[in-house]
Amino acid sequence: GAGVSQSPSNKVTEKGKDVELRCDPISGHTALYWYRQSLGQGLEFLIYFQGNSAPDKSGLPSDRFSAERTGGSVSTLTIQRTQQEDSAVYLCASSLASAGRGTDTQYFGPGTRLTVL
Amino acid sequence: GQQVMQIPQYQHVQEGEDFTTYCNSSTTLSNIQWYKQRPGGHPVFLIQLVKSGEVKKQKRLTFQFGEAKKNSSLHITATQTTDVGTYFCAGVGDSGAGSYQLTFGKGTKLSVIP
Repeated sequence: GAGVSQSPSNKVTEKGKDVELRCDPISGHTALYWYRQSLGQGLEFLIYFQGNSAPDKSGLPSDRFSAERTGGSVSTLTIQRTQQEDSAVYLCASSLASAGRGTDTQYFGPGTRLTVL
Repeated sequence: GQQVMQIPQYQHVQEGEDFTTYCNSSTTLSNIQWYKQRPGGHPVFLIQLVKSGEVKKQKRLTFQFGEAKKNSSLHITATQTTDVGTYFCAGVGDSGAGSYQLTFGKGTKLSVIP
């Protein structure tokens, strides 16, 4: 079946502009995660959704970052007034369910490479 | 907060040599997962360990979870060029709060020289 998809695959924007990144999780997966991966670095947790609610927004680096999920499916990550340090690959992952323990396998999308000039 | 440290950061081996990466958590983990990311690709799940002292094998890969559930290792026997990539460990804390959050190590980048 279809895996996690993300769009766009690449985004180049100018400093100060807003960007919107989209994630389509695997159908039926109730848990959705956003991560950021800077060049050569590990994965930085941003936010987690269980259904449409986001129990944990602690990883969002600033108030310029927001995310929403509608219908328990598609999620969008919005970065307002982008800065050069926002340049990274933004990865989305979904899992079948999370009984509050994060034990389910996470399936990652291909990521969106964001470059802020 | 919970921290997961992974060493080494880089490892270059000759094809056929063994490889090991180590993962250490600042807090007790409820479980640990391992992922592999090929160059230019996204992380792909390899395995999950849950029990204290657990050892699991996948062909040439051996995964261990420490007795105290604070450390883990991945060992590859007789590396092949297809093993090239970055191996990440990711742990879930056992403290209740934030227990759905996977904390990733920075990864070990493996290069295999043919």
